[in-house]
Amino acid sequence: DADVTQTPRNRITKTGKRIMLECSQTKGHDRMYWYRQDPGLGLRLIYYSFDVKDINKGEISDGYSVSRQAQAKFSLSLESAIPNQTALYFCATSGTTDTQYFGPGTRLTVL
Amino acid sequence: AQSVTQPDIHITVSEGASLELRCNYSYGATPYLFWYVQSPGQGLQLLLKYFSGDTLVQGIKGFEAEFKRSQSSFNLRKPSVHWSDAAEYFCAVAYTGTASKLTFGTGTRLQVTL
Repeated sequence: DADVTQTPRNRITKTGKRIMLECSQTKGHDRMYWYRQDPGLGLRLIYYSFDVKDINKGEISDGYSVSRQAQAKFSLSLESAIPNQTALYFCATSGTTDTQYFGPGTRLTVL
Repeated sequence: AQSVTQPDIHITVSEGASLELRCNYSYGATPYLFWYVQSPGQGLQLLLKYFSGDTLVQGIKGFEAEFKRSQSSFNLRKPSVHWSDAAEYFCAVAYTGTASKLTFGTGTRLQVTL
């Protein structure tokens, strides 16, 4: 079984819709992250959380919000999706070794 | 602010040939350095990392990387490329003391010809 899972794996939605991407991990890590990947831009950090009560904005947090429901769960929401949020979204976790482990990604298309 | 440059967007090598992917970083102190690989349709997999100590680090799948402080570089190498190595490779850097905020390069796509 995968250590970091993301749901859904693919999602097509329309402009203005609210959408939530979910991430779960079984690694027991305290730290969780959300990134987006765009062609030619690499990965950019959206939000990160060091524990359930500690949530921080990353490089590109505008238009996004997050919820850390438990140590193992970290959700990313787009309150009102827009086409330039079309991207590949990755969740990651890290523990005491400071190495981040990535989920398989969610491909989001906003029409 | 820290930054990472991968100057080669796309590289093509023949199977069995050697490979070197370049990575340069900008940061005032010694960073934590990582190389990740992303196969088509997959997430990112850690190849290797450098935190301190020996500047030549060995990773999975026969890859190695060398940290050169004087050149602010952390180039990835493999002596003999296999067709299954075709993927996108990302270099990443983080502040010493906390690798929790990674800055990624823009990636190098590797194509392997038979």
